[in-house]
Amino acid sequence: AQTVTQSQPEMSVQEAETVTLSCTYDTSESDYYLFWYKQPPSRQMILVIRQEAYKQQNATENRFSVNFQKAAKSFSLKISDSQLGDAAMYFCAYRPPQGGSEKLVFGKGTKLTVNP
Amino acid sequence: GAVVSQHPSRVICKSGTSVKIECRSLDFQATTMFWYRQFPKQSLMLMATSNEGSKATYEQGVEKDKFLINHASLTLSTLTVTSAHPEDSSFYICSASWSGVLADTQYFGPGTRLTVL
Repeated sequence: AQTVTQSQPEMSVQEAETVTLSCTYDTSESDYYLFWYKQPPSRQMILVIRQEAYKQQNATENRFSVNFQKAAKSFSLKISDSQLGDAAMYFCAYRPPQGGSEKLVFGKGTKLTVNP
Repeated sequence: GAVVSQHPSRVICKSGTSVKIECRSLDFQATTMFWYRQFPKQSLMLMATSNEGSKATYEQGVEKDKFLINHASLTLSTLTVTSAHPEDSSFYICSASWSGVLADTQYFGPGTRLTVL
């Protein structure tokens, strides 16, 4: 079964600085999807970034970018120029390829604190 | 785009009563909807997956007679907690996805906090 591991239960960063959240996963599939979701105190799950495994290029969304290392099964999230509004729980998630299960497998999350 | 709403956002009920939570996709047709439960400081736990017009598929350990799911249209799914008890108190979140471009992505509602007295 696929698993997703987030080894950092908590992280902190100074405002305007850069932080990297780690995520590793286990799968025997060659094609799949990876996501980072953000859950602020409001508890609304917000999609941060999406990566298709067959694409070698790392996904980016404004200040958010990933370092996708397929062979190492690693999918880290880099937040640049951190802002107070970035404070939240961040969940890494894996989805099997199209045609298979639609279920997301979530990691346990990393709580990010942004210090002013 | 890809907005999902949930209603109510909070509900308090007495033990033994039933509670219905609605999940709506506001700007797309949701071919698949998912219901999750989240305990404090934990990750999301999938309860069931529902496809429009068919019966929901429940995860192991989830009582289908207690958590009734109906996905009657492409924009609405409902979760009914029947004969609720205090241990059913939790945060319930729905998500939705569609067929076609970005069909792999789930978009989440804002959640419903259920408190059973």
